[in-house]
Amino acid sequence: GENVEQHPSTLSVQEGDSAVIKCTYSDSASNYFPWYKQELGKGPQLIIDIRSNVGEKKDQRIAVTLNKTAKHFSLHITETQPEDSAVYFCAAGMSNTGKLIFGQGTTLQVKP
Amino acid sequence: GAGVSQSPSNKVTEKGKDVELRCDPISGHTALYWYRQSLGQGLEFLIYFQGNSAPDKSGLPSDRFSAERTGGSVSTLTIQRTQQEDSAVYLCASSFGGAGETQYFGPGTRLLVL
Repeated sequence: GENVEQHPSTLSVQEGDSAVIKCTYSDSASNYFPWYKQELGKGPQLIIDIRSNVGEKKDQRIAVTLNKTAKHFSLHITETQPEDSAVYFCAAGMSNTGKLIFGQGTTLQVKP
Repeated sequence: GAGVSQSPSNKVTEKGKDVELRCDPISGHTALYWYRQSLGQGLEFLIYFQGNSAPDKSGLPSDRFSAERTGGSVSTLTIQRTQQEDSAVYLCASSFGGAGETQYFGPGTRLLVL
């Protein structure tokens, strides 16, 4: 069935370092890959997304890469700040259904 | 502008009772989604509405769960005869267009079944 694996489950970095979170999806028909940030007690907030016709997308300190052949996509955060601390979720979806399949989440801790 | 709103924010109920959870999507958004998030887990898809129709309700866990959407706007998720395993955060999202569009999430309803 449809599945998204996300690693690592927890990640601790020093302020200013980079953080990388990786996801693998199972359904080769997936063509939409959003990343969400969730702070305690709040709903997930979209931070960046990528579609299958693009290999990389960047927005300031955040970048996402997609390898459709390997069915991998990754989130890269550079120059991390304490306010980046949160749970990050990757997801995979298709343009012909509304369903997003989410990874299990990565708890990122940025130490000052 | 206003985001997705959900009510109540918290709900405590006794096992066997029925509960109704409400979602108000962003104005103008035609698609609406319900997800469930158990403690420390990822989000689990429940149902997707396009307008008032539900083209995909494959994620509803059992026939105790139902959802409706009226007027292409507000949606209600109903859980009948609640069980302790129903305890979770129920999240609603909406998108401007249909499938494949960016989904914007509400703050969720935290349901606790005693």
